[in-house]
Amino acid sequence: GDSVTQTEGLVTLTEGLPVMLNCTYQSTYSPFLFWYVQHLNEAPKLLLKSFTDNKRPEHQGFHATLHKSSSSFHLQKSSAQLSDSALYYCALSPMATGGNNKLTFGQGTVLSVIP
Amino acid sequence: GGIITQTPKFLIGQEGQKLTLKCQQNFNHDTMYWYRQDSGKGLRLIYYSITENDLQKGDLSEGYDASREKKSSFSLTVTSAQKNEMAVFLCASSIYRGAETLYFGSGTRLTVL
Repeated sequence: GDSVTQTEGLVTLTEGLPVMLNCTYQSTYSPFLFWYVQHLNEAPKLLLKSFTDNKRPEHQGFHATLHKSSSSFHLQKSSAQLSDSALYYCALSPMATGGNNKLTFGQGTVLSVIP
Repeated sequence: GGIITQTPKFLIGQEGQKLTLKCQQNFNHDTMYWYRQDSGKGLRLIYYSITENDLQKGDLSEGYDASREKKSSFSLTVTSAQKNEMAVFLCASSIYRGAETLYFGSGTRLTVL
């Protein structure tokens, strides 16, 4: 079945340093990949979604590139801000034709940005 | 824009008790979901519903029941609360099944004494 792996449970960074949160996946199909973000006491919300045409999605300074060869969709940002502190989930949708396209979520990575 | 409202925000129950969590959405979305959020385990799907009166089991449905009597509402029942049920339960909706953008509520935190 499909699976998503986020190896880091907690990433602590100093403000201004680059961010990279890891996400790898396994899927029988050519899936879409997503990043959801959840700030403290808020609902999770969509941050980024992969494109079918290899464009790199970007939002709020974050970007991610889908590498099918390595089955990865790492989240990156050039300079961390205090407001980036949150829980980040990587997720996969198999996009199987006529199949069940439920999202599969990774374990989540807490990003803590310190002054 | 729309909103997903989950009630109650905090739910305290006794071991063995039957407990119900409620969710309302005003997006007019077809599909609704219940996820359980545990630290370090990600979001795990309990039940989902693609339309009124439809119910589909997720990966974690044992010990839970669900009900979708209206398009706008989706409730989840813990049939017999256990101490290891303590978690945050998140409701979500999407415009249709297979649509990957989920809109989440802020959650119900369940504590079992």
